[in-house]
Amino acid sequence: SQKIEQNSEALNIQEGKTATLTCNYTNYSPAYLQWYRQDPGRGPVFLLLIRENEKEKRKERLKVTFDTTLKQSLFHITASQPADSATYLCALDNQAGTALIFGKGTTLSVSS
Amino acid sequence: EPEVTQTPSHQVTQMGQEVILRCVPISNHLYFYWYRQILGQKVEFLVSFYNNEISEKSEIFDDQFSVERPDGSNFTLKIRSTKLEDSAMYFCASSRDLREGDTQYFGPGTRLTVL
Repeated sequence: SQKIEQNSEALNIQEGKTATLTCNYTNYSPAYLQWYRQDPGRGPVFLLLIRENEKEKRKERLKVTFDTTLKQSLFHITASQPADSATYLCALDNQAGTALIFGKGTTLSVSS
Repeated sequence: EPEVTQTPSHQVTQMGQEVILRCVPISNHLYFYWYRQILGQKVEFLVSFYNNEISEKSEIFDDQFSVERPDGSNFTLKIRSTKLEDSAMYFCASSRDLREGDTQYFGPGTRLTVL
């Protein structure tokens, strides 16, 4: 079955720096990969989706890369702000495309 | 912007009781999902639903669980006889389509506490 690992449980950075979060997966070749943000006690909020034939996707200060050879996605937040503090979840579709399989998440803390 | 809504926000129940969690998906969406998240753990898929039937269910979704779309707007998750380990946040989600890359939009969740 698919396995997703987000290597860091927690990441602490200074305001203004770039945060880089990692998502690795095994036993599967997903058609796409998604990143969500989750605040405490709230539901996941969709941020970005990248397909297997795309190397990079950007949205404002967010950038996602997808390396299907390494089976890895990197999620970058540039010029980070304290308001970016949250848990960021990586998610893949299951093979039938009927569900999302989530990683455990990386909790980002941005200090001013 | 349209959003998924869920009620109640918090449900407390005694072990062995039945609970129904309610969701109103985004109006033009056709696919509906339930996920759960035990405190401190990852979001786990329970079930997906399309065209008035279950598309897929996980190992967690055993005979104690059922889903229903009783009318054109609501989507419910019923747990027949709750156990202590059912305590979790339950998230409803919906998407327009199952084509590759169609985003799932999540509701704010219902916190279920089983005593």
